[in-house]
Order: sequence, then structure tokens, then C-alpha cells
Amino acid sequence: ETGVTQTPRHLVMGMTNKKSLKCEQHLGHNAMYWYKQSAKKPLELMFVYSLEERVENNSVPSRFSPECPNSSHLFLHLHTLQPEDSALYLCASSQDPSGGAFGELFFGEGSRLTVL
Amino acid sequence: SQQGEEDPQALSIQEGENATMNCSYKTSINNLQWYRQNSGRGLVHLILIRSNEREKHSGRLRVTLDTSKKSSSLLITASRAADTASYFCATDAWSNFGNEKLTFGTGTRLTIIP
Repeated sequence: ETGVTQTPRHLVMGMTNKKSLKCEQHLGHNAMYWYKQSAKKPLELMFVYSLEERVENNSVPSRFSPECPNSSHLFLHLHTLQPEDSALYLCASSQDPSGGAFGELFFGEGSRLTVL
Repeated sequence: SQQGEEDPQALSIQEGENATMNCSYKTSINNLQWYRQNSGRGLVHLILIRSNEREKHSGRLRVTLDTSKKSSSLLITASRAADTASYFCATDAWSNFGNEKLTFGTGTRLTIIP
């Protein structure tokens, strides 16, 4: 139990569906992250929120839309995805308010997304 | 671009043996971290070593850092079946937005044979 909870753990969706991934952290951290993990590829940083403001958007297609309503919650809204978007999506949080790398990241268990 | 690269990509050893994984990186860093990931799960932080440190221990883990060679190694002593996992190094780097971010490699897949 890392203090970061992701739901759902598994999601199957068609290319025309709209769905959302949810992340909640119970650690009192100030920064939250979305990473994408595909087979045989390094973890890809997608978005960073620090104190509820987006501080990084790593050239992610607009079919992925993040939302951070408060410092404890982070969403990833998905629409008109492609089969190559199938991956493990990992949420993480850290204490550092600048969203930087001064300390460790605490990861959730991930949401396994399959796009048909 | 990828900052850290782990070597080897896969490693299988007998239970009780020591496992060594290496990480090389390209640019100057402030710190380097190692994470473990069990199959299909989230990453778990193992250890952080700062650029002014050369060695750090945590239980059966020993991490070294050589900034002149831009490399780090993770040693797991007296391996156990539960150590079977993928291990990633992560280095901080300056992003396009002017802040530091962690960049991960592709990992070393470690299998401990009982």
C-alpha cells in the first residue's frame, strides 16, 4: 500500500468511447504525475501537476486530457483513443511542490488500458 | 531522449547469489534513484543517491555512483525469490519547461531461480 490509489485497475474500451482514469493520493503531497508504460519502452512522462497547476505537458496527443481538481486527485480523460494507446498508465505523487525530482515518487498500482 | 539505460536487460541467477545491475546516463544529475516493479504493478522506490555520494546501503541493497563515468550500479546480496522483478534507474534532468523531472530507463528484468 503506497498511499496512491488508481481506479480502475483494468479498462477495455473501443476507439469511440470516452472514459476516465482516476488517481487519489493520501500522502499530503503537492505534485502528481501521469506516466505511460508500454512494453519494452522506458516510462514516458505525460503530465505533471504541482499545487494543482499543470507544469509539464510532454507533447501528449489531445485525446488525453488531464484534470487536477485538488492536490489529492488527478484524472486522465480518454477519448477517441487508438490501439497503440494500450498500455499501463501509472499515477505518482511526490512531496516536492515544484514537480521536480528532488525526492522519491510514490506510484499507484496502475490502470491497464486496452483499446480495441 | 532517454537519460538512463540499464544493463543487462535481463538477468537470471540462483537464489542466494548476488545480483548486479548497472545504469548509465548522459547528462549531469543531482540525484539518481532505483525503483523495483513487480510484474504489472506500480513502481516502488528503493534508494536515492545524491551526486555528492559515492555509495549507499539499505538492507541487502548497495548502490554506487560514479559521476565521472556517469554510471551507477545496484547490488542485491543474498537474493531471494521475492526479488524477482524489474529494476529501473531514474535520473533527474531539466525538462523543456525549466524544471527538473525524473527520466526512467527500460529496466533490468531480474529472475531469481529457487
